[in-house]
Amino acid sequence: DAGVIQSPRHEVTEMGQEVTLRCKPISGHDYLFWYRQTMMRGLELLIYFNNNVPIDDSGMPEDRFSAKMPNASFSTLKIQPSEPRDSAVYFCASSLPAGVGGYTFGSGTRLTVV
Amino acid sequence: GENVEQHPSTLSVQEGDSAVIKCTYSDSASNYFPWYKQELGKGPQLIIDIRSNVGEKKDQRIAVTLNKTAKHFSLHITETQPEDSAVYFCAASLNSGNTPLVFGKGTRLSVIA
Repeated sequence: DAGVIQSPRHEVTEMGQEVTLRCKPISGHDYLFWYRQTMMRGLELLIYFNNNVPIDDSGMPEDRFSAKMPNASFSTLKIQPSEPRDSAVYFCASSLPAGVGGYTFGSGTRLTVV
Repeated sequence: GENVEQHPSTLSVQEGDSAVIKCTYSDSASNYFPWYKQELGKGPQLIIDIRSNVGEKKDQRIAVTLNKTAKHFSLHITETQPEDSAVYFCAASLNSGNTPLVFGKGTRLSVIA
């Protein structure tokens, strides 16, 4: 398996623009998590899905953030409009039921909003 | 909700020495405690985990200990090597990992050759 695949690896955008981050989880993993990593706040959970259904989105900072999982092999995290304070590394992770084997993280998307 | 504190934030050791990273958690119901290693430009990678029915677990040079009464757990790396240099994160969750992990802030370990 190729692991969790995220795209793009780097994104630079201007304030006010829409940004879409993409994630392909490992086949057979039915949990998918979106985390944001910053120096100040560490790894913060934004939202997670079980069997494509959003379970908890209380970590989504504002209405500007939205996430979808239209099928078991694809998820998106969208920021519209983007702001400089959204600059961070965004990670997607997936796991098996009951967390067997723990999370597998993707390589992340480094977002810079200028 | 769960809160995980991790210390120290940075740690430098000489090659061959041991390194210890400590974490405390707040929710006594948490029962799954993994450790992740993050190398530059990569996502965190699971290196070892422990569940609450076990007090200690070892995998070659890495060991984790858990004290449920005190609500703390530690990562021990023996005979450190330069390739152990990375950021290490502890985490905690309920239900052995299928509920979201709450992460500590990380420890940047530098192994000096």
